[in-house]
Amino acid sequence: DAKTTQPPSMDCAEGRAANLPCNHSTISGNEYVYWYRQIHSQGPQYIIHGLKNNETNEMASLIITEDRKSSTLILPHATLRDTAVYYCIVRSRDDKIIFGKGTRLHILP
Amino acid sequence: DTGVSQNPRHKITKRGQNVTFRCDPISEHNRLYWYRQTLGQGPEFLTYFQNEAQLEKSRLLSDRFSAERPKGSFSTLEIQRTEQGDSAMYLCASSYPTGGAGETQYFGPGTRLLVL
Repeated sequence: DAKTTQPPSMDCAEGRAANLPCNHSTISGNEYVYWYRQIHSQGPQYIIHGLKNNETNEMASLIITEDRKSSTLILPHATLRDTAVYYCIVRSRDDKIIFGKGTRLHILP
Repeated sequence: DTGVSQNPRHKITKRGQNVTFRCDPISEHNRLYWYRQTLGQGPEFLTYFQNEAQLEKSRLLSDRFSAERPKGSFSTLEIQRTEQGDSAMYLCASSYPTGGAGETQYFGPGTRLLVL
């Protein structure tokens, strides 16, 4: 079973920041938090991952709480092309990915 | 770097036929994974290879399914005697161990199978 809990769906206005929450209260010390997204009919796309510290790349920011029991993916300026299912995943460094149902993010024009 | 490629992108077959899918990983990626995704669900792990060795198989991988990676480069997934329940998107991913930074899997576009 997936080790994460995400809301099934969220809406965000175009141009605003999209903040996607994820709970992972049973995360172990050696497990990373990964985020992928899947645009309709395409393969999952890697977004970002982190262990303890907050991370930022050209796509998004990942904020991990100090106790590591939850995290938030931030898309700073959402566009219509960010409409997708977003998966929050907890896994050991070299383990297979166990996907949950993710959050379906709708970007509203 | 052209990313992970999968062929064919779409396959329609009749129940009982055999089908084979191919995955070409990112070059120099020594790990290759197969996943299956049915409508409305997240992808589910099937099996993975490190180089040519198949190291783990899911219970989802019935004896009608077989995967190979003969030279540690591309991989094939064959389904024998297909059933309608095999209709799904079959996804391939590859990765390369990065030491302490976490190992990231990169996915291909998938092969969508429809069994009539």
